[in-house]
Amino acid sequence: GAGVSQSPRYKVAKRGQDVALRCDPISGHVSLFWYQQALGQGPEFLTYFQNEAQLDKSGLPSDRFFAERPEGSVSTLKIQRTQQEDSAVYLCASSLAVRGPDEKLFFGSGTQLSVL
Amino acid sequence: QQPVQSPQAVILREGEDAVINCSSSKALYSVHWYRQKHGEAPVFLMILLKGGEQKGHEKISASFNEKKQQSSLYLTASQLSYSGTYFCGTERNKIIFGKGTRLHILP
Repeated sequence: GAGVSQSPRYKVAKRGQDVALRCDPISGHVSLFWYQQALGQGPEFLTYFQNEAQLDKSGLPSDRFFAERPEGSVSTLKIQRTQQEDSAVYLCASSLAVRGPDEKLFFGSGTQLSVL
Repeated sequence: QQPVQSPQAVILREGEDAVINCSSSKALYSVHWYRQKHGEAPVFLMILLKGGEQKGHEKISASFNEKKQQSSLYLTASQLSYSGTYFCGTERNKIIFGKGTRLHILP
């Protein structure tokens, strides 16, 4: 596609529910990132994929968070037993090549998750 | 380690200049700058690599001093379209972003 696509755009969940957030990166982009952005804050790193391999998941806040990219394209971020503190915008970004210091990120518009 | 940005917020009149600073306690491979408008995705502005080079994008330029582990973003003759939140991101295999600098341009 023309850009990074995320769905749903908005998600309201009751506390304790499981949610799944989808990211369609730009076609052919090797690297894919998930970030969490709280209101008024900068994007915080969650996890990074190179093709289907999850190379870094150091930013995932707890074992309730799980991400996958089974075929090296679409990625899903799953949050189990959602808590109120999980409320945030979840941003997905992709870049063309293997990570290097000069590889710019293309961001999707994000999924705004509200946990009630 | 999250980079530190200053100031946290700036209000300018159209045509005025601004400088946004970004510093890190760790050695940097590169510094990225992005701009995010309310409710939208962050948009790439520029990347600065080691070597203290200065890059430009329209009337927006930036410098990177790797010895001081600092970068500065310069907005010259600001336009209304420059309003938004500016994030610097420091790169060591993954990009870690600062908390952002909110820029508001008044007509």
